[in-house]
Amino acid sequence: DARVTQTPRHKVTEMGQEVTMRCQPILGHNTVFWYRQTMMQGLELLAYFRNRAPLDDSGMPKDRFSAEMPDATLATLKIQPSEPRDSAVYFCASGLVQGGPTDTQYFGPGTRLTVL
Amino acid sequence: AQKVTQAQTEISVVEKEDVTLDCVYETRDTTYYLFWYKQPPSGELVFLIRRNSFDEQNEISGRYSWNFQKSTSSFNFTITASQVVDSAVYFCALSESGRGSTLGRLYFGRGTQLTVWP
Repeated sequence: DARVTQTPRHKVTEMGQEVTMRCQPILGHNTVFWYRQTMMQGLELLAYFRNRAPLDDSGMPKDRFSAEMPDATLATLKIQPSEPRDSAVYFCASGLVQGGPTDTQYFGPGTRLTVL
Repeated sequence: AQKVTQAQTEISVVEKEDVTLDCVYETRDTTYYLFWYKQPPSGELVFLIRRNSFDEQNEISGRYSWNFQKSTSSFNFTITASQVVDSAVYFCALSESGRGSTLGRLYFGRGTQLTVWP
């Protein structure tokens, strides 16, 4: 049963520290998404990639957030420096574009980030 | 502008009752895709269904059924004979066909918390 994996599952850090979250998409999927879930904003897109190229990062605070795909099996989301308002659950999702009616994105378990 | 509205913030039912979760969407695209995801207390997001704008056929999967009506921009979700394990937050989401792709960003509603009591 193929799944999206995310590490770490939980992270507690202090304001100003760098945070790196990692995502392993389902093998063979060519599209990776990063979403953030907070009580105030709900689920919102931060960025997404297709074939490792960024397609949309309009939801990401550019001054402190960065997202990359070093290779097809790894996506990273970094926050530097972190702030208390970054506390949220960060979800990675992946999907395969086949141009058909079943193209869907599947979510990982999330990384719960707490910035003190 | 909000693209997906789930007006019901919380719903409580007793086991075996039927329950319908409402979803209203807004888009200018003629081709779009609608989804339902379930988020149980453990926190993960579980895919339930995808519907394409050109396919208005309703769907049934076990106790779950979905009613898609383009005329009212609604994509409602019904659970028949609810069970305690159905307790979760349910999210409706919309994806538009921008960039010519069938797999794009999701716009989520705020979710409906469903609690099923024994």
